[in-house]
Amino acid sequence: EPEVTQTPSHQVTQMGQEVILRCVPISNHLYFYWYRQILGQKVEFLVSFYNNEISEKSEIFDDQFSVERPDGSNFTLKIRSTKLEDSAMYFCASSGAGERTQYFGPGTRLLVL
Amino acid sequence: KNEVEQSPQNLTAQEGEFITINCSYSVGISALHWLQQHPGGGIVSLFMLSSGKKKHGRLIATINIQEKHSSLHITASHPRDSAVYICAAIDGYGGSQGNLIFGKGTKLSVKP
Repeated sequence: EPEVTQTPSHQVTQMGQEVILRCVPISNHLYFYWYRQILGQKVEFLVSFYNNEISEKSEIFDDQFSVERPDGSNFTLKIRSTKLEDSAMYFCASSGAGERTQYFGPGTRLLVL
Repeated sequence: KNEVEQSPQNLTAQEGEFITINCSYSVGISALHWLQQHPGGGIVSLFMLSSGKKKHGRLIATINIQEKHSSLHITASHPRDSAVYICAAIDGYGGSQGNLIFGKGTKLSVKP
């Protein structure tokens, strides 16, 4: 069964460093999402992406964040200069055309020291 | 702004018990997800529904759009059902896509 994959599964970085989180959505899906979950808190929407551009973004998704679909398969989230409060689990999700079910990747656990 | 509330926050049950988790939301939505989050953190979609009722194995989900309420039921609960169950509303009307607004989750523990 097709699934969303994410790499790395865990990343530790120093404050101020750039990180890139990678996602490979399900191959025929057209809509892509990033969510994050700070430890002990609820999952929060970051950004949605369709047709090579951002569809919607939350107030969390400030200028430090960017997303890209550099080729036909990868979908990346970049954090330019990480802060301690960026430590969280980051989930990628995708959905197909005309389908509202979102399929989640296993997440990347980011720890900023 | 849409708020999604779940109850209870924590639930402990004995194996075999019938379990109900409730979800309510404040603003109209187009559909709603029930998700399961395992202790390792991974999220699995259980149901996406916009009306009525859906059943998959021992899991049943219902939604009442007018009352802005949804329930997830687990029949004959088993220790392997132990997880966090999350309700997530798909914001907005019409169209086929929408961003998810998540509840805080219900942590279920089923004892043998």
